[in-house]
Amino acid sequence: DQQVKQNSPSLSVQEGRISILNCDYTNSMFDYFLWYKKYPAEGPTFLISISSIKDKNEDGRFTVFLNKSAKHLSLHIVPSQPGDSAVYFCAANNQAGTALIFGKGTTLSVSS
Amino acid sequence: DGGITQSPKYLFRKEGQNVTLSCEQNLNHDAMYWYRQDPGQGLRLIYYSQIVNDFQKGDIAEGYSVSREKKESFPLTVTSAQKNPTAFYLCASSIGQTSNQPQHFGDGTRLSIL
Repeated sequence: DQQVKQNSPSLSVQEGRISILNCDYTNSMFDYFLWYKKYPAEGPTFLISISSIKDKNEDGRFTVFLNKSAKHLSLHIVPSQPGDSAVYFCAANNQAGTALIFGKGTTLSVSS
Repeated sequence: DGGITQSPKYLFRKEGQNVTLSCEQNLNHDAMYWYRQDPGQGLRLIYYSQIVNDFQKGDIAEGYSVSREKKESFPLTVTSAQKNPTAFYLCASSIGQTSNQPQHFGDGTRLSIL
């Protein structure tokens, strides 16, 4: 059973607009969440993270929001740029803190 | 430049053959990981190591083996027992086995069966 879910396989956005990528998780014991960006044939690149003691973390154009009661997090990209087109993975640190559990990814396409 | 190097980028395996994927890091990280990615899927954990000479099975360890003789190196062997080895393999490392530490990834090895 998937513990980290990204229910939207794809998202299309126009350049300059906001991109919102969503992620749900099932285990209330998860306490650290991350977003990675991945281009084809490359490894994922770490983007931004958030600890469960926070509800928001911001880094430049990227903001991650965490709603613990809903077990939901989202990544906002403002403004979106064509270079943001990639697959975005949501991940959570497992309870033991030994590894990450990944969602299946959302493919973002930003058109100019 | 510090980073994680995976080699080769592409690898082909014949039926019944073992192959070894290399992963080297110069980030002085204690923890290292191997993940597998299949099309349309997230990354699934194969093995991880928190310290030299120690490693643990992940969710899909069957048909794989690892060693951790040096801090910098964590090679993965895909054995003939792995019946569906065609995938994209990713190695990662992190400072330690503590919470709130991101993992950093290499650029992967794509393994195909001849």
